[in-house]
Amino acid sequence: GAVVSQHPSRVICKSGTSVKIECRSLDFQATTMFWYRQFPKQSLMLMATSNEGSKATYEQGVEKDKFLINHASLTLSTLTVTSAHPEDSSFYICSARDLLPGLAGFQETQYFGPGTRLLVL
Amino acid sequence: RKEVEQDPGPFNVPEGATVAFNCTYSNSASQSFFWYRQDCRKEPKLLMSVYSSGNEDGRFTAQLNRASQYISLLIRDSKLSDSATYLCVVTGPGSASKIIFGSGTRLSIRP
Repeated sequence: GAVVSQHPSRVICKSGTSVKIECRSLDFQATTMFWYRQFPKQSLMLMATSNEGSKATYEQGVEKDKFLINHASLTLSTLTVTSAHPEDSSFYICSARDLLPGLAGFQETQYFGPGTRLLVL
Repeated sequence: RKEVEQDPGPFNVPEGATVAFNCTYSNSASQSFFWYRQDCRKEPKLLMSVYSSGNEDGRFTAQLNRASQYISLLIRDSKLSDSATYLCVVTGPGSASKIIFGSGTRLSIRP
């Protein structure tokens, strides 16, 4: 199946620093990628939709100036957490949309990266 | 009302038991449906797609009921390794549609 990678897998940083997370689709092109955040024992929360060659679409309550998204190519999207604070500590997961053959034509599905654990001290 | 709702559980069942989860969705125009599995501190992994005709993959059976707007997942002969959180995912309509996750149902299989 399709593979999505994320880097780094884990990062610890001081409060006030910026952290960049990369999401790559390794064997398919993804015009659309998604960024999620998951706090302990909670569900995935969609933060933004990353569109190749255009601006990201942010969900309500997500600050676009704090969570900068760049989708410069069909295989790479980056999320930069600017001026990170302890409350930004979370599990950040990206996903990329792919099309799979199904019983009724092609059906889209999501492949997730392994996630990045961010701890802000 | 949430767009996708699941019973959070936890479901605690003995090995070998059959267990079923339901998930309801609010948008009747939803197009695609999936079950994902998420292990603790890991990313979600696709378990199976859900088709209108229903589909089966080994011990797992998924069903879609569009009239009542719910999908189900049945696990037969449960194994210890089935312990995880099962996420219901709904998308559509349209190619630019959002993906909506349920909050997940926790399943714990005991020996």
